[in-house]
Amino acid sequence: GIQVEQSPPDLILQEGANSTLRCNFSDSVNNLQWFHQNPWGQLINLFYIPSGTKQNGRLSATTVATERYSLLYISSSQTTDSGVYFCAVVDRGSTLGRLYFGRGTQLTVWP
Amino acid sequence: NAGVTQTPKFQVLKTGQSMTLQCAQDMNHEYMSWYRQDPGMGLRLIHYSVGAGITDQGEVPNGYNVSRSTTEDFPLRLLSAAPSQTSVYFCASSYSISTGDGYTFGSGTRLTVV
Repeated sequence: GIQVEQSPPDLILQEGANSTLRCNFSDSVNNLQWFHQNPWGQLINLFYIPSGTKQNGRLSATTVATERYSLLYISSSQTTDSGVYFCAVVDRGSTLGRLYFGRGTQLTVWP
Repeated sequence: NAGVTQTPKFQVLKTGQSMTLQCAQDMNHEYMSWYRQDPGMGLRLIHYSVGAGITDQGEVPNGYNVSRSTTEDFPLRLLSAAPSQTSVYFCASSYSISTGDGYTFGSGTRLTVV
């Protein structure tokens, strides 16, 4: 199956700082999504972004499908941003919507 | 409230016991799936379904069974629990089969097998 690699594995920030999380994938994709898993374990869908750029408040994401990577930007980070951020993809050959997940970036934001 | 509902939230089993994790969604999504999450790992797909009566295996199907008799429900059965099945289990649904767009996760079931 398609390989999904995320970096960095861990990130520690002070409140107010900006950060960039990266997701590399090994093959062409139909779908790329970013998820946030909060400290209580809930998985929240942040972006559906197979290509292009989207913004939602302090978060934005860019996917360059031809170069097989996506970036998640978090600006003016807050303690509530803490948690694990996952990238997940559906490979272009799939007709079944099977998501392949990366191992995530653990983000800790200190006040 | 619309969404994916998983029960129970926590469960402790003894080795060899069987149980069913329940998953229900009220969004009329065709695509449903079960994942397990282990420390330091992403989510790994156990089984999935593209509609009532249609299921298939994912990456880690051994030791688990599923069925899909209705659009709303997708239970996961552990036939004979083993300590290696200690994990957090997530059910998800989506309205797009081909792209997985609109993925919605349940709140998870934390299972411990002793």
